[in-house]
Amino acid sequence: GAVVSQHPSWVICKSGTSVKIECRSLDFQATTMFWYRQFPKQSLMLMATSNEGSKATYEQGVEKDKFLINHASLTLSTLTVTSAHPEDSSFYICSAQIQGVGTQYFGPGTRLLVL
Amino acid sequence: GESVGLHLPTLSVQEGDNSIINCAYSNSASDYFIWYKQESGKGPQFIIDIRSNMDKRQGQRVTVLLNKTVKHLSLQIAATQPGDSAVYFCAENNNDMRFGAGTRLTVKP
Repeated sequence: GAVVSQHPSWVICKSGTSVKIECRSLDFQATTMFWYRQFPKQSLMLMATSNEGSKATYEQGVEKDKFLINHASLTLSTLTVTSAHPEDSSFYICSAQIQGVGTQYFGPGTRLLVL
Repeated sequence: GESVGLHLPTLSVQEGDNSIINCAYSNSASDYFIWYKQESGKGPQFIIDIRSNMDKRQGQRVTVLLNKTVKHLSLQIAATQPGDSAVYFCAENNNDMRFGAGTRLTVKP
């Protein structure tokens, strides 16, 4: 149990375009989902915390107008990278937290390459 | 600010030996810790967790030890196998999760 999926697994796009990444909890309801970014050989950096039905909470230094997060249901959160630039190229990982349980379960990640 | 960190960035062990990966944390109020394994190009995978009311927890081939006095956490892997090669992160969970830098474990055949 506790499976989290992400789609797409990788994406290549042109600079200036927008990219949407989906995060789904497949066999449980997640009241809270998290979005992380990971650059090569670095740790995961929390970008934002997403609660179902409310606005996401962004970490300091993360532009909320650039990284749009929508947590429309208890099983789906989306991250949209707007007007992507090469420096946004990274590995984006989501996680989902079961209500009342501290453990987060991670998706497989989405590799974004902006040309 | 308070943080979770790791002592060593890399660890190389011989196949069959035991591995010990260490982690220091600085938030004395933390009451829940998790170890994750991340293979190249994949998301972190839950290994084992421990709450602060315990000092040891065992899983299959893995043991986590918690020393609250010195704010230290360790992950022990018994009979390390090539498939254990990955980056291991400890994380402190207080509604959101903070990761340390990670330790890359390499298992030599």
